[in-house]
Amino acid sequence: ETGVTQTPRHLVMGMTNKKSLKCEQHLGHNAMYWYKQSAKKPLELMFVYNFKEQTENNSVPSRFSPECPNSSHLFLHLHTLQPEDSALYLCASSQASGDTGELFFGEGSRLTVL
Amino acid sequence: GQNIDQPTEMTATEGAIVQINCTYQTSGFNGLFWYQQHAGEAPTFLSYNVLDGLEEKGRFSSFLSRSKGYSYLLLKELQMKDSASYLCAVRDSNYQLIWGAGTKLIIKP
Repeated sequence: ETGVTQTPRHLVMGMTNKKSLKCEQHLGHNAMYWYKQSAKKPLELMFVYNFKEQTENNSVPSRFSPECPNSSHLFLHLHTLQPEDSALYLCASSQASGDTGELFFGEGSRLTVL
Repeated sequence: GQNIDQPTEMTATEGAIVQINCTYQTSGFNGLFWYQQHAGEAPTFLSYNVLDGLEEKGRFSSFLSRSKGYSYLLLKELQMKDSASYLCAVRDSNYQLIWGAGTKLIIKP
């Protein structure tokens, strides 16, 4: 089993749908992250949770709503998205946010908004 | 503003050597990372530099010059499986990671 698992791997949704992305890490880490990856652009940090508390929200539109019920699970709830939200959404974890260790990434959820 | 620059795409030949450059302008510096990302897969950690100099790890080496705001990733004895995107990221004074847009490396036989 990989360290960071994301589901679903692919998602197609209409602009009025509601869906959720799920991330689970089996590494005993205390920090979890959501990133947006668009073609030929740098990774965009969306949200950071450290010990289940949200410590970062990088001006993300309210149509993206994160949830972190425990240190191992992270969700991204999606509603009334726009076509420009189509991207690869990557979940990552680390020992704790602000430390010097590397991030461990999941394989991402490829989202297409029609 | 904070900025990381790296070439968009590079092409190299199997068995050869390639150097991928990364220059940065950030608010402070607390380390530089290189990640590898194969198409459709997760980025995976390659190297971390916080002091000037060369860090060697098998076929891959990473170099850092803090005074020049410059790093490079050196890949030797290229293999087809090295075809991937290589992401450079710098941790700033607030321990935030600033990412480059990645360099797509194409290896030709």
